Amino acid sequence: DAGVTQSPTHLIKTRGQQVTLRCSPKSGHDTVSWYQQALGQGPQFIFQYYEEEERQRGNFPDRFSGHQFPNYSSELNVNALLLGDSALYLCASSLVGQVRNTEAFFGQGTRLTVV
Amino acid sequence: DAKTTQPTSMDCAEGRAANLPCNHSTISGNEYVYWYRQIHSQGPQYIIHGLKNNETNEMASLIITEDRKSSTLILPHATLRDTAVYYCIVRLRTSSSGSARQLTFGSGTQLTVLP
Repeated sequence: DAGVTQSPTHLIKTRGQQVTLRCSPKSGHDTVSWYQQALGQGPQFIFQYYEEEERQRGNFPDRFSGHQFPNYSSELNVNALLLGDSALYLCASSLVGQVRNTEAFFGQGTRLTVV
Repeated sequence: DAKTTQPTSMDCAEGRAANLPCNHSTISGNEYVYWYRQIHSQGPQYIIHGLKNNETNEMASLIITEDRKSSTLILPHATLRDTAVYYCIVRLRTSSSGSARQLTFGSGTQLTVLP
């Protein structure tokens, strides 16, 4: 059973460019959340997708956008990249139950470097 | 979600029990205590969670005080591979909006297991 997979693993972009990161959730999961982790800090919640809609959003600008596809996979898009966007981007998947949710499982992350 | 307080770092001898404390004095009655860990350059890994009773699984034990204002994660026989940042998170387990609750990470505890 494949866990959460993210691609690419590493990426280097130039300031002002746009980037798309991809995530495939764990088999059976229907919810994808994205987190940004700067060096030396804990992950910070960006947003969450469920039923192809953004359900929750953290304190991130509109330059950060996303999408969820019918197969539950997801993309994170960042426009007009800034040096401060350099970070490890983590994807987490879970299953939204009627009573309680499952625990979140994380991928290995995409290391984005903006130069 | 309630805020948590953890020591910045701890050391533990290999083969001994590692006891990681967490204070969550503002926890509400329906909030759970979750523990995740993050080995260097990897995604966070779920360890265990609990509401008010002590919990044990194949990875660790979770001891929650009777007033629920603090908890301790116990790794019974620490190995070098347990060296990681350990995050204590308090959150509701369900969401009324049809989505999963986000995880709010603090700075965590850097556990170093020494040979």
